[in-house]
Amino acid sequence: DIQMTQSPSSLSASVGDRVTITCRASQTVHNYLSWFQQKPGRAPELLIYNIYTLQSGVPSRFSGSGTGTDFILTISSLQPEDFATYYCQQSYSTPYTFGQGTNLETK
Amino acid sequence: QVDLQESGPGLVKPSETLSLSCTVSGGSITSSYWSWIRQAPGKGLEWIGYIYYTRSATYNPSLRGRVTLSIDTSKNQVSLILTSVTAADTAVYYCTRLNDFWTGDHWGQGTLVTVSS
Repeated sequence: DIQMTQSPSSLSASVGDRVTITCRASQTVHNYLSWFQQKPGRAPELLIYNIYTLQSGVPSRFSGSGTGTDFILTISSLQPEDFATYYCQQSYSTPYTFGQGTNLETK
Repeated sequence: QVDLQESGPGLVKPSETLSLSCTVSGGSITSSYWSWIRQAPGKGLEWIGYIYYTRSATYNPSLRGRVTLSIDTSKNQVSLILTSVTAADTAVYYCTRLNDFWTGDHWGQGTLVTVSS
């Protein structure tokens, strides 16, 4: 199985901050890397797929980058509704696997 | 707009079989791949498997042959069966539609299944 490791596991930030979350795969996942946002009691929502492609309706302050095994989710200017847990996922090789999550909290 | 709605019993006894359905509306079940993902309370996301209506399903080996996915095109439903459940199978179960990059672009709201006697 491909292991996905996110860092940090938790992050405290303020509205307006620029935030980055990293995701490392144990082997290449090529461009099959996605990011999800999950709020308490809600289903995850797809933010980004294909490393950098924004899902329809997702604000442009979210962006993705990286290649092969190392990927980054960036939120350019944090908004109040962005405090949530974020997961990366590889869909290159089954079983598809997720990172352990990054809990983004208000400072 | 595709909408997915999971349904099934919220409580299952240990060693018994968990059965869930996902009803798809706003789109044809024959046009996409569909997957199930679960999340134990306070934990991360675990991929269970995916299915297409004309092909056999692909499963997570961690479920050791206990899982079966199926599609009923007449009802526009995707179903999940998990046998010999234990407390470790207690989770919110989500149904998702897969996009061209094999990731879930539409999710159901999830259904909590508790395994307990």
